[in-house]
Amino acid sequence: SYELTQPPSVSVSPGQTASITCSGDKLGDKYACWYQQKPGQSPVLVIYQDLKRPSGIPERFSGSNSGNTATLTISGTQAMDEADYYCQAWDSNTVVFGGGTKLTVL
Amino acid sequence: EVQLVESGGGLVQPGGSLRVSCAASGFTFSNYWMHWVRQDPGKGLVWVSRINSDGSSTNYADSVKGRFTISRDNAKNTLYLQMNSLRAEDTAVYYCARESYGSGSLDYWGQGTLVTVSS
Repeated sequence: SYELTQPPSVSVSPGQTASITCSGDKLGDKYACWYQQKPGQSPVLVIYQDLKRPSGIPERFSGSNSGNTATLTISGTQAMDEADYYCQAWDSNTVVFGGGTKLTVL
Repeated sequence: EVQLVESGGGLVQPGGSLRVSCAASGFTFSNYWMHWVRQDPGKGLVWVSRINSDGSSTNYADSVKGRFTISRDNAKNTLYLQMNSLRAEDTAVYYCARESYGSGSLDYWGQGTLVTVSS
């Protein structure tokens, strides 16, 4: 079965750029999307179709996808961005999630 | 405003059955594919199942295939997940989510309902 691999944790200082990767076989041939989940809340879509932002998502969130890796980049990271982030792609009519990355802003 | 409200979670014994529901509002429910995603407490997201807009096509994760059934009632704007032969490892918060038309992403999620399988 298809797998997406994310680092368990990433740390960033306020105002700096955070990058969260998601790796999968030929992931660049698929669309990737990203979700943010804060403690006790439901996931929120922050990036879809590799690099598009839903309305209401700040411009500091951006995405890319090439080769075997998709990347979520948060520029000028704020304390409110501290959360778990999950990548997602499709494989054979099933949805696959990465294991999640805990972003710590310190 | 799009709203998805799950209900029906609770405590069930191993081997038992439970049906969870998701009431949709604020959009034309019958136009959208819908999903169930679960999350073990403190763990990651796990996709469970998907149903197309008219209910004629479904897909399941291997872990629930043959035990869970997804369905919908477009007249009632409601999505269902019938869970049979429940196991301890099915314990999780179950979210319903709407698939964004044409993008393959899940653009709206409910608040989730907790299912606990324990004796």
